[in-house]
This record gives sequence, structure tokens and C-alpha cells, in this order.
Amino acid sequence: QKEVEQDPGPLSVPEGAIVSLNCTYSNSAFQYFMWYRQYSRKGPELLMYTYSSGNKEDGRFTAQVDKSSKYISLFIRDSQPSDSATYLCAMSAIRGSNYKLTFGKGTLLTVNP
Amino acid sequence: ETGVTQTPRHLVMGMTNKKSLKCEQHLGHNAMYWYKQSAKKPLELMFVYSLEERVENNSVPSRFSPECPNSSHLFLHLHTLQPEDSALYLCASSQEGNTIYFGEGSWLTVV
Repeated sequence: QKEVEQDPGPLSVPEGAIVSLNCTYSNSAFQYFMWYRQYSRKGPELLMYTYSSGNKEDGRFTAQVDKSSKYISLFIRDSQPSDSATYLCAMSAIRGSNYKLTFGKGTLLTVNP
Repeated sequence: ETGVTQTPRHLVMGMTNKKSLKCEQHLGHNAMYWYKQSAKKPLELMFVYSLEERVENNSVPSRFSPECPNSSHLFLHLHTLQPEDSALYLCASSQEGNTIYFGEGSWLTVV
């Protein structure tokens, strides 16, 4: 079993839809969870960062972590064409100078006008 | 100006060439990273430098040689690469204990 599983999509939704992106993981030591957004031919940019279980909201984006189920989600409300990108989940067990992230493969999202 | 700058953005090289990728971070971070991104694969960590000392080398072939002359600069020296090494090479930086920030990447094509 891979450490992090992420459905690669592609996912296509109409403008204004609610989008749900998900990752599952197997390593129970993971406690730092991130979502990165990567536009075509660009580097990933940090979108959301959460620690341990719970929800975190930032504008139209909500990150959710369920450690008991080893499942994380990113919700996008009122999706816009500018949200079209690949979304990467990432997670880590440790902090410190040897900071390492384990990434999912990414989900390609297209929001159609 | 982005916090992490990579040059060149695009590189085409032959299998016998020697080239280098350059990365500079303007964020005052103390750790720098090289990642490889290939189609349909997760990001692969290649090297980590913390306080200019290499602390991670993820079984990367010796045809990839990193160099970190100071905390703001990171190089990836390339020689005798293979076509399967064609990918997006991402530099990143972080401050100890916090999340990492990526550059825009260098697209490498080996012919």
C-alpha cells in the first residue's frame, strides 16, 4: 500500500460547484497536512496547512483532517475557472531541519465557465 | 519577484552534455531541497541541505550532483543524463520546522 493515495482525476466541474478533493494515507505518524496548488508549467504553491485533526477555513477553501480514518479533504466552494489546476496533498510526521513531505500524485481539476 | 528563483526555466541537453540548474531563495530560510516531478508520479525528494550541509540523499544516481555554497543558493549539476531523467526539477526552501516553498521549476529534456 502506498503511503499516500490521491485520485488523479481528472475532475471537471461547472463554475460555482462545490469541489471535494481527497487523500488517504497509511502512516499513522503523519500529523502535518498540506495542500498545494500547481498551475500548468508552474511550481506548487502552498494553499492550506493544518496540524492534527479538525477543520481549517480560508476564504472559499476548507481543509479537513480525520486522523482516525487517515483521510484528508480539501473543499472548494463557489469554484472559479481560476481554480483550474492540479491539487497536491502532502503530509509529514516531523518538524525540524530534516523536514520531509510525502506527496500524493495530484488531482487535476478543471472548472468550466 | 518570487521567493525561490530557478534558472534556467527550460533546458534541452544531450546525453553527453554537462549542465547545471541554479536555485536562489530570498526568504532567509535555512534549508533547501531538490525535487523531481515526472508525469503521473508523486514528487520525489532528491536532496536536502540544512544549514549548507547535505542531510538527505534519496538514492539519487551519481549523474546528479548537488552543491550548496551558502544558505541562499543551490545547484544541481547534471552530466551524462538519460532520457528518463527528463522531468520538471523543483527547488524548494524552508525555515526549520515549517512548510516548504517551491520555485517555478526547471523543465529538463534529455535527448
